[in-house]
Amino acid sequence: DAGITQSPRHKVTETGTPVTLRCHQTENHRYMYWYRQDPGHGLRLIHYSYGVKDTDKGEVSDGYSVSRSKTEDFLLTLESATSSQTSVYFCAISDFDSYGYTFGSGTRLTVV
Amino acid sequence: DQQVKQNSPSLSVQEGRISILNCDYTNSMFDYFLWYKKYPAEGPTFLISISSIKDKNEDGRFTVFLNKSAKHLSLHIVPSQPGDSAVYFCAASEGSARQLTFGSGTQLTVLP
Repeated sequence: DAGITQSPRHKVTETGTPVTLRCHQTENHRYMYWYRQDPGHGLRLIHYSYGVKDTDKGEVSDGYSVSRSKTEDFLLTLESATSSQTSVYFCAISDFDSYGYTFGSGTRLTVV
Repeated sequence: DQQVKQNSPSLSVQEGRISILNCDYTNSMFDYFLWYKKYPAEGPTFLISISSIKDKNEDGRFTVFLNKSAKHLSLHIVPSQPGDSAVYFCAASEGSARQLTFGSGTQLTVLP
């Protein structure tokens, strides 16, 4: 989607390795989010950010950490990947004048 | 415990007929509701929303109805088109919180 990009689009990694996913926006939006999508669970919030260096945990934050050192970048790190973290990860952005999100195209992560 | 529930994982409808997708919620503090559409290998895209002060909102072929007493909302698509085939997610927001809680999604298939 225009204004928000995720990288990589696909990744296969081994159990126990650290993995970092990147979300980059050009919209200068204040809020950024990481969700994971799994069958039967829909989209579940992992972490979110409401400004540079301001982050908080979501519903399924165990095993994940985030950082936001610049407005445009929001990084999601799996400290030691496990098979249960195989999922599709979506980044989203929003601003103070809107309840809706704009989503990125997603990162498909497979942990083997 | 899921606060937003979409109890029908899938729905098939004939082209030209009405599609009705349902969503229930348990958190009475939710006051803004949204529907997103998702095609394979893409991020969800915003479709339509409704504030809790309204009971209906229309946008072209799409209408969302909100029944606060029943904690139920529905999305009507009339007439349904093959291009509407996608996964539809219901989402809800509480007050000034900038986090959306999503349902598990309904796969809509519109048959030509």
